[in-house]
Amino acid sequence: GIQVEQSPPDLILQEGANSTLRCNFSDSVNNLQWFHQNPWGQLINLFYIPSGTKQNGRLSATTVATERYSLLYISSSQTTDSGVYFCAVKKLESGYSTLTFGKGTMLLVSP
Amino acid sequence: ETGVTQTPRHLVMGMTNKKSLKCEQHLGHNAMYWYKQSAKKPLELMFVYNFKEQTENNSVPSRFSPECPNSSHLFLHLHTLQPEDSALYLCASSPPTGELGELFFGSGTQLSVL
Repeated sequence: GIQVEQSPPDLILQEGANSTLRCNFSDSVNNLQWFHQNPWGQLINLFYIPSGTKQNGRLSATTVATERYSLLYISSSQTTDSGVYFCAVKKLESGYSTLTFGKGTMLLVSP
Repeated sequence: ETGVTQTPRHLVMGMTNKKSLKCEQHLGHNAMYWYKQSAKKPLELMFVYNFKEQTENNSVPSRFSPECPNSSHLFLHLHTLQPEDSALYLCASSPPTGELGELFFGSGTQLSVL
């Protein structure tokens, strides 16, 4: 099956710093999502971004489908950004959305 | 609130108990999913229902039994579980068209098997 690798596995930032999280995938995809899992377990949709660039406030994401990677940018980080960030992809022609998840990047933003 | 509601939030059960997890979505979606999240492992897909029909069973042991009475409700019936089944169980749903199956998750049920 498709492989999804996220880096770095762990990241510690001072409040106000910027960061870039990376997601590499091993095959062509037609669905890529970024999620944030908060300390209570809730998975929050950040971006649906199979290609191109999107921005939402301090967060933005870019997917280069031809090169099989996606980047999540967090600017001016806040303590509430702490948690685990997951990238998930769906391979082309695999029907409804059976997403494959990476292992995540655990982010800790300290005050 | 994402529109996908899971109950209970926490569950502790013995290996001989029978319990059920419930998921309800208020988004008008047609597909519903159960995922399992164990410590230090990626989310694992367990079951998929599309228009109430089970379309995928990802080699899940028979001690986990899903039920989907309609497109808005999904259950996971548990019986004779093992301690290694302790995990966060997440329900998700996705729309029939548009975003090619963008997933929306509930808050999960944290299950502990003693």
